[in-house]
Amino acid sequence: NAGVMQNPRHLVRRRGQEARLRCSPVKGHSHVYWYRQLPEEGLKFMVYLQKENIIDESGMPKERFSAEFPKEGPSILRIQQVVRGDSAAYFCASSQHHRQTSPQETQYFGPGTRLLVL
Amino acid sequence: SQKIEQNSEALNIQEGKTATLTCNYTNYSPAYLQWYRQDPGRGPVFLLLIRENEKEKRKERLKVTFDTTLKQSLFHITASQPADSATYLCALAYSGAGSYQLTFGKGTKLSVIP
Repeated sequence: NAGVMQNPRHLVRRRGQEARLRCSPVKGHSHVYWYRQLPEEGLKFMVYLQKENIIDESGMPKERFSAEFPKEGPSILRIQQVVRGDSAAYFCASSQHHRQTSPQETQYFGPGTRLLVL
Repeated sequence: SQKIEQNSEALNIQEGKTATLTCNYTNYSPAYLQWYRQDPGRGPVFLLLIRENEKEKRKERLKVTFDTTLKQSLFHITASQPADSATYLCALAYSGAGSYQLTFGKGTKLSVIP
């Protein structure tokens, strides 16, 4: 009964490099959410995806950040040309049903990827 | 914009006592409110959900209240144990662009002292 899996758990990048964070949702879940947690800050919503669709990306920075959830394989959060301010913990969560039709749907969180930009 | 405040960054209590954590928000009331537990190096774990038309919810030693007049939720852990030591997050759900978004507070770090 695997929960949400994220890899890598820790990622170190130098400024200007690309970071790719992967998230495999709970088996049977087709809705994925990405959050960012900066030091001393609360979790901030970034993007909500369904298989092959971006449903809500209102929390995503306009530049350098992108996300996808292909038909096969994990969801990917991609950060291009990383800067020191991108250092944070990135959490992925999944749910079984569409958040709009089932707003009380419980989200299951992964362990997070801790990104450090040198 | 909506602000969420959790009463304190850290709360220390004696084992066996009741821990009470507070979550206050400004502006409009959310559709529902959730409480999560987060341990160091781990992702949040869902504990309880309460809807805007509900006053109170219970689950084992946990109790959540929701007062839309005061714009406040209280989270209680009765007969607290050292294993309850963790950071507790409140999250409010609002209708966003095509979905309900969760907005999280910064959390309160609870330490239960044996």
